[in-house]
Amino acid sequence: TQLLEQSPQFLSIQEGENLTVYCNSSSVFSSLQWYRQEPGEGPVLLVTVVTGGEVKKLKRLTFQFGDARKDSSLHITAAQTGDTGLYLCADANAGGTSYGKLTFGQGTILTVHP
Amino acid sequence: EAQVTQNPRYLITVTGKKLTVTCSQNMNHEYMSWYRQDPGLGLRQIYYSMNVEVTDKGDVPEGYKVSRKEKRNFPLILESPSPNQTSLYFCASSETSGWETQYFGPGTRLLVL
Repeated sequence: TQLLEQSPQFLSIQEGENLTVYCNSSSVFSSLQWYRQEPGEGPVLLVTVVTGGEVKKLKRLTFQFGDARKDSSLHITAAQTGDTGLYLCADANAGGTSYGKLTFGQGTILTVHP
Repeated sequence: EAQVTQNPRYLITVTGKKLTVTCSQNMNHEYMSWYRQDPGLGLRQIYYSMNVEVTDKGDVPEGYKVSRKEKRNFPLILESPSPNQTSLYFCASSETSGWETQYFGPGTRLLVL
């Protein structure tokens, strides 16, 4: 069974600071997704990365996929209070008997203070 | 408006009393899935469905049943709920597989006494 470990579990910072959260897998990712979830709502997909070494940017968010496809990071520049939420990484398995099965990390709770 | 709807949003029940949480999507998606979310554990997949009449187990299927008789609906059935099934449940759908953007419902908060 694949295990996804996210760190840190909690992060509390001031507005304007930079931060990085990490996601590590016990096995090679098939397709790595990052989600953000706000209180009282379902997760919303931020990005999907597939290729080892891939870097994607979404405004102030930078997503990096490790060369070996077993780790990923999410970096936020100049955090804003609107970035507050739960950040989740997930692997969408493909192929074999696990096709369609998604595995999520336990999440990083980010709080950005004004 | 494209959306995934779940009902009920909140439910308090007692141990052993069968219940069904409905999930419906209006995007003609083939893939649908159920998750439960517990503090410190992230989301864990219960069951998923690649298409009508095609379902498969996720990581935590014990105590749950699903059916996919129509493309738009994917109900989650708890035949005999127990307190350890107290959780926040999310339904999600995507066009053809879990690889793509998944659209999540608003969640159903279940308390089993």
